[in-house]
Amino acid sequence: SQKIEQNSEALNIQEGKTATLTCNYTNYSPAYLQWYRQDPGRGPVFLLLIRENEKEKRKERLKVTFDTTLKQSLFHITASQPADSATYLCALGTGGFKTIFGAGTRLFVKA
Amino acid sequence: NAGVMQNPRHLVRRRGQEARLRCSPMKGHSHVYWYRQLPEEGLKFMVYLQKENIIDESGMPKERFSAEFPKEGPSILRIQQVVRGDSAAYFCASSPRTSGGQSLIQETQYFGPGTRLLVL
Repeated sequence: SQKIEQNSEALNIQEGKTATLTCNYTNYSPAYLQWYRQDPGRGPVFLLLIRENEKEKRKERLKVTFDTTLKQSLFHITASQPADSATYLCALGTGGFKTIFGAGTRLFVKA
Repeated sequence: NAGVMQNPRHLVRRRGQEARLRCSPMKGHSHVYWYRQLPEEGLKFMVYLQKENIIDESGMPKERFSAEFPKEGPSILRIQQVVRGDSAAYFCASSPRTSGGQSLIQETQYFGPGTRLLVL
């Protein structure tokens, strides 16, 4: 069956450290993968998109990797700040109309 | 630049009543998606619409749920005869994707703040 799995447990890290979130998928062949941020009571906000033929994408303190062999994406936030505390969702685009979302990983950055 | 707007933000209904959720996409966007989110769960795709067309409704329950995106006005997600299990946050997203376009940039979806439906 098709699955997208993100760390179900919350990730707690100290301010200034690098946060690394994982997204694994099975039985999908995504054309691209996206990461979104969601704050409590709000809608998701798009952060980054990486295509199947790209290994890595960066945007300011954010870095995403995409390994189609391992069927995994890693999302890194360097020099993390308390304001980075949120739930981060990965989403697969299969090239059709649907975007398939993972359940998200909650990140807490302590000052 | 107004973002995606949804109203109401909170909606309380009793079992058996109807719920109408509205979504106004970003200016210039003609593609709308509806998702449902339960606590601690991911967003579940429900339906994808263009103006006056339902493109993909494979995620929508066959009964009681319907969606439309008229030529004028917001997109509406309608739930008839609500049950407690319909309680969830419903998010609308829009994208600038054009018909037949394959640009990955256009796959980015811009989400509204959601409508939280509580069925008593």
